[in-house]
Amino acid sequence: AQSVTQPDIHITVSEGASLELRCNYSYGATPYLFWYVQSPGQGLQLLLKYFSGDTLVQGIKGFEAEFKRSQSSFNLRKPSVHWSDAAEYFCAVGAQNTDKLIFGTGTRLQVFP
Amino acid sequence: KAGVTQTPRYLIKTRGQQVTLSCSPISGHRSVSWYQQTPGQGLQFLFEYFSETQRNKGNFPGRFSGRQFSNSRSEMNVSTLELGDSALYLCASSLALTSGGAETQYFGPGTRLLVL
Repeated sequence: AQSVTQPDIHITVSEGASLELRCNYSYGATPYLFWYVQSPGQGLQLLLKYFSGDTLVQGIKGFEAEFKRSQSSFNLRKPSVHWSDAAEYFCAVGAQNTDKLIFGTGTRLQVFP
Repeated sequence: KAGVTQTPRYLIKTRGQQVTLSCSPISGHRSVSWYQQTPGQGLQFLFEYFSETQRNKGNFPGRFSGRQFSNSRSEMNVSTLELGDSALYLCASSLALTSGGAETQYFGPGTRLLVL
C-alpha cells in the first residue's frame, strides 16, 4: 500500500536560512510525487511535482525537490527562506489510473525574522 | 481562468442532519476529487469522479456520498452527521486528459463544516 511519511511535524528557521523538508514514500512502482503548501484557512497550492525524467524538479516560489529512488525520498528544499514561506507543507504520492493522492501528515514551517 | 470554487465556504450543522457541499472545477477539467482534512487524521481521500463515474473511493462510511454532473461540477453529501465529521472538505480538479490518472490537481479553498 502507498504511504507517505513526513518525519518533521514542526520546523523553525530564520529568514534567509536554507530549508529542507523531508518526505519518504512507500510505493511499489514508480511514484507520482507532489509537494503542496497550505496557508492558514486556505486550500492547497501545488509547489512542484515529479512524474518521470530529471530527478531534480523546480517549482514555484524558488522551491526544488529531488527524487531519490534508492532512499524512497522526495525532499523539498529552498536556499533562502522568506517570512512569507511560513505555512504547512504536504508531500503526497499518487499512482497511475487515479487522481487519488495519499498525503503525509504535513510539516509546519515557522520563519523567524 | 477561474480556479476551483467551493460553496458554501462555512457551514454549521447539528448532529443527525445532512449536508451537501458543492464544487465547481476549473473550466475544462473533467476529474474531481474530494478530501477531508482534520487535525487528527490529516488529509484523507474521500472519492474521485471522472466523466460522471466514481473512479475511486476512500475508506469512509456509506454516509458519505458524491456525484458528478455532465458539466463536471460535483457535489458531496454527508447524511446523519456526527461530531467527528467536523472538518475542512477540499475539492480538487484535474484535466484528466486521458483516463490514466495522476494528473496535477488544483485545490479549492475548502468548505469548513462544523457539526454541533
